[in-house]
Amino acid sequence: GAGVSQSPSNKVTEKGKDVELRCDPISGHTALYWYRQSLGQGLEFLIYFQGNSAPDKSGLPSDRFSAERTGGSVSTLTIQRTQQEDSAVYLCASSLSGLNQPQHFGDGTRLSIL
Amino acid sequence: AQTVTQSQPEMSVQEAETVTLSCTYDTSESDYYLFWYKQPPSRQMILVIRQEAYKQQNATENRFSVNFQKAAKSFSLKISDSQLGDAAMYFCAYRSGDTLAGSYQLTFGKGTKLSVIP
Repeated sequence: GAGVSQSPSNKVTEKGKDVELRCDPISGHTALYWYRQSLGQGLEFLIYFQGNSAPDKSGLPSDRFSAERTGGSVSTLTIQRTQQEDSAVYLCASSLSGLNQPQHFGDGTRLSIL
Repeated sequence: AQTVTQSQPEMSVQEAETVTLSCTYDTSESDYYLFWYKQPPSRQMILVIRQEAYKQQNATENRFSVNFQKAAKSFSLKISDSQLGDAAMYFCAYRSGDTLAGSYQLTFGKGTKLSVIP
């Protein structure tokens, strides 16, 4: 079946602009995660959605970052007033609910801030 | 907070040989899950193998196996009969087993870049 889909694959924008990154999870997966991978680093957790529960936003690095998940499916990560340090690969993952369920990742969006 | 450490930034192995990637973690929890993910240049994170902390038996998936030492908080990955397609970044990850933790995110190490020499 279809995996996690992210768009765009690559995004180049100027400092100060807003960007939106999209994630379409695997059908039926109730949990959705956003991670950030900076050059040479591991993945850093940003935000987690589970069903209709309030999201866990504890990983968001600043109030310029926000995310929403509409209808329990597609999610959008928004970065306002982008800074050069926001340059990274943003990865989305989804899973069935349950601690033992593995997370399935998309190919990510490479964001470059000029 | 949990931390995951991968002490080998880069490793190399001859094709058909065996290589072991190291991972240690720090946690005060007794119940948790451990994972190894592979990330080829395509960027997609691919699950290689997982281990439940309450299971003493080491997980195995074809050529991939782990050596899970709970007391030592060590979780190494062994790749047997290495193939060219195994070349990638490998990440070790931890997930809490506390259902009250509120979030099921993974905590990742910084990765080990594995090269396979023909």
